Amino acid sequence: GAVVSQHPSWVICKSGTSVKIECRSLDFQATTMFWYRQFPKQSLMLMATSNEGSKATYEQGVEKDKFLINHASLTLSTLTVTSAHPEDSSFYICSAGEFGESTDTQYFGPGTRLTVL
Amino acid sequence: AQSVAQPEDQVNVAEGNPLTVKCTYSVSGNPYLFWYVQYPNRGLQFLLKYITGDNLVKGSYGFEAEFNKSQTSFHLKKPSALVSDSALYFCAVRDINGYNKLIFGAGTRLAVHP
Repeated sequence: GAVVSQHPSWVICKSGTSVKIECRSLDFQATTMFWYRQFPKQSLMLMATSNEGSKATYEQGVEKDKFLINHASLTLSTLTVTSAHPEDSSFYICSAGEFGESTDTQYFGPGTRLTVL
Repeated sequence: AQSVAQPEDQVNVAEGNPLTVKCTYSVSGNPYLFWYVQYPNRGLQFLLKYITGDNLVKGSYGFEAEFNKSQTSFHLKKPSALVSDSALYFCAVRDINGYNKLIFGAGTRLAVHP
């Protein structure tokens, strides 16, 4: 299957700082990428849908000014957690989709564990 | 409303025995259904999907799933479990409202004992 990478795999930061997470599709072009967060022993919660060249679509309850998403190219989307606080500590996972007549699959990155002190 | 239910928080199976992880869905129209597996501190790995065609779908690592429209189910199965199959399994359905979003179930932890 297709490969999606994330960087960094883990990050520890101080409260009030901003953290950028990168998501790359390595062997295909992804017009759409998705950002999720996952709390321990819970399912994935979709945060936003990132479309190349346009503004991201945020899910209800997700602060767009807090979680900045940029999808500058067909292979790269970034999530910036601004002014991070301990409650933002979570596992953040991105996915990139191949969508077409015969394909309809999201491929997930390995995740980024964010710990805010 | 669209939803996916995984009724079991955890499934325990002895190695070598068949396993089933249950999933039911609620969506209008024809569903696009998916199974993913997650190992500790890792992202999700795609196992298999049903879009159309044969109700029995074969996927990675010897897993298969059967789409049952009358029971609105898409249970994941494997004839002979391995200890290495122990992981968290998610069932998902594509959001019919567009944008190719996925709606995930709560997840089922599979524990395969030697």
